[in-house]
Amino acid sequence: QQQVKQSPQSLIVQKGGISIINCAYENTAFDYFPWYQQFPGKGPALLIAIRPDVSEKKEGRFTISFNKSAKQFSLHIMDSQPGDSATYFCAVQYNFNKFYFGSGTKLNVKP
Amino acid sequence: DAGITQSPRHKVTETGTPVTLRCHQTENHRYMYWYRQDPGHGLRLIHYSYGVKDTDKGEVSDGYSVSRSKTEDFLLTLESATSSQTSVYFCAISEPYSGANVLTFGAGSRLTVL
Repeated sequence: QQQVKQSPQSLIVQKGGISIINCAYENTAFDYFPWYQQFPGKGPALLIAIRPDVSEKKEGRFTISFNKSAKQFSLHIMDSQPGDSATYFCAVQYNFNKFYFGSGTKLNVKP
Repeated sequence: DAGITQSPRHKVTETGTPVTLRCHQTENHRYMYWYRQDPGHGLRLIHYSYGVKDTDKGEVSDGYSVSRSKTEDFLLTLESATSSQTSVYFCAISEPYSGANVLTFGAGSRLTVL
């Protein structure tokens, strides 16, 4: 069963626009919600993460919004740049060292 | 890549042959993982280890075995490779981050089974 549902599968955004990627989960035992960024030919790398007791976390142009009651969290990339073109994965953590990943979103930011 | 080395980085093999992928870490992390990445499926856990000789299955463990005889090395073995095991394989370690744990990944090993 898929523990984390991620959408959309792919996304095309114009330079300067806002990119939004959504994830939904069912299990309330999850206790940390990271996002990973992956460039072609590379391994995924941690981008930003949020705890469930926080509704929003911002780091530069990247923001996570977390809705605990709806069991949803999303990544917003403000002022999207061509260099942001990558695949993004949401993830959930439980029991400190176990993780599930979403299916990934391929973002293409057009110049 | 936080001291994580995967080898080989690329391998082409034939159906039915055994294949071993190696993950080496230099930072003495207790938890190590093997994931596979396939289009439309994201990252799926194959096996993980929580110490020397301590391993457990993930969600897609059929056809794979692992071994960890030293803290720094985690081996993934395909006893008899099949075309469905063509994938990119990532090793990861779990490390502390802002009071929680996050995964740090290696660069990946691309396996093609003909």
